[in-house]
Amino acid sequence: GDSVTQMEGPVTLSEEAFLTINCTYTATGYPSLFWYVQYPGEGLQLLLKATKADDKGSNKGFEATYRKETTSFHLEKGSVQVSDSAVYFCALTLNFGNEKLTFGTGTRLTIIP
Amino acid sequence: KAGVTQTPRYLIKTRGQQVTLSCSPISGHRSVSWYQQTPGQGLQFLFEYFSETQRNKGNFPGRFSGRQFSNSRSEMNVSTLELGDSALYLCASSLGGQGTHEQYFGPGTRLTVT
Repeated sequence: GDSVTQMEGPVTLSEEAFLTINCTYTATGYPSLFWYVQYPGEGLQLLLKATKADDKGSNKGFEATYRKETTSFHLEKGSVQVSDSAVYFCALTLNFGNEKLTFGTGTRLTIIP
Repeated sequence: KAGVTQTPRYLIKTRGQQVTLSCSPISGHRSVSWYQQTPGQGLQFLFEYFSETQRNKGNFPGRFSGRQFSNSRSEMNVSTLELGDSALYLCASSLGGQGTHEQYFGPGTRLTVT
């Protein structure tokens, strides 16, 4: 079946450090890929997305590139801030009018000043 | 535009009881999906409704059910509650229809079963 594997957490970084959270996927079809972020006590917010190979999604300084050859969608940010502390989820959905999201286990990120 | 709203935000129930959770999607969105989030199992898909029809279903027992109304609002029901049903239940809405659409999540309903 379809699945998403993401980097185990928790991850702790100093402010202004470079961030990478790895995400790989297995899918029977040609998925769209997403990164969601969850702040404490809140629901999920869409951070960025990519719908086809070599697409780069970007938002708020975060980037991820859809790599079909390595089935990956790694999240990166050049300089993290304390406000980036949250749980990050990689997810996929297959097209064909199917809204079901398959999520990774989530990576808790803590940024220390 | 108002976001996805879920009511109630917090709920405490006893084993064996049943519970109904409500979700109001973003105006114009016709698809509503439900997810269960627990520390052990993570985020798991329950079901999706589009134009009042269940379009997709996850691997949950029949105690979990849902419905969607003509205004796209959705409810999910859990009967005969078990301790393991304690979780954050998230609702997400999207335009639905053809293609891949962004899903917008509500703040969730925190259900505690004692």
